[in-house]
Amino acid sequence: SQQGEEDPQALSIQEGENATMNCSYKTSINNLQWYRQNSGRGLVHLILIRSNEREKHSGRLRVTLDTSKKSSSLLITASRAADTASYFCGLLTGGGNKLTFGTGTQLKVEL
Amino acid sequence: DTEVTQTPKHLVMGMTNKKSLKCEQHMGHRAMYWYKQKAKKPPELMFVYSYEKLSINESVPSRFSPECPNSSLLNLHLHALQPEDSALYLCASSQEVLAGTDTQYFGPGTRLTVL
Repeated sequence: SQQGEEDPQALSIQEGENATMNCSYKTSINNLQWYRQNSGRGLVHLILIRSNEREKHSGRLRVTLDTSKKSSSLLITASRAADTASYFCGLLTGGGNKLTFGTGTQLKVEL
Repeated sequence: DTEVTQTPKHLVMGMTNKKSLKCEQHMGHRAMYWYKQKAKKPPELMFVYSYEKLSINESVPSRFSPECPNSSLLNLHLHALQPEDSALYLCASSQEVLAGTDTQYFGPGTRLTVL
């Protein structure tokens, strides 16, 4: 099935550093979305990038999409302790609104 | 109001019990979703409702029974569950079921434990 593979599985950085996480997938997509999940809570939508876009920015977030390599990256700049969470890429494929999530990256930002 | 609410927050039930999870949104969204998430795993889609009609069932066992009484409400009826059904159940909504356009808004989830 179309599940994204994310790496790294876990990432620990110091506050102020940048965090980069990657998502790779296997089949064509309509769009790719990134979500954040704080421990045991619901997911929060961060950013959506369409299949015909290469880069998008939102605040401290930068997302890139390379459809030829079937991969995307999420960069969080100047990280804060509050960014500590799990991050999932969500792949929208085919008709309808079926969203398939990647395996996730657990980010820990230490003071 | 960009909030999706879910009740209860926590639920403990025995394998012979019947219980229901509830989800509500007042954003005028016409698509609603149920996901199941096991610990340290990504959410997995269970059901999609579009305009109050079931449009996707991801081969979910019949002990899970979804219901969409109106455009704002989504229920998940539970009966004869197994301990392996213990998980975080997430509800989400989006404007419509249109490919390539919608973001989904998630509720905080119901933590279900089956004894």
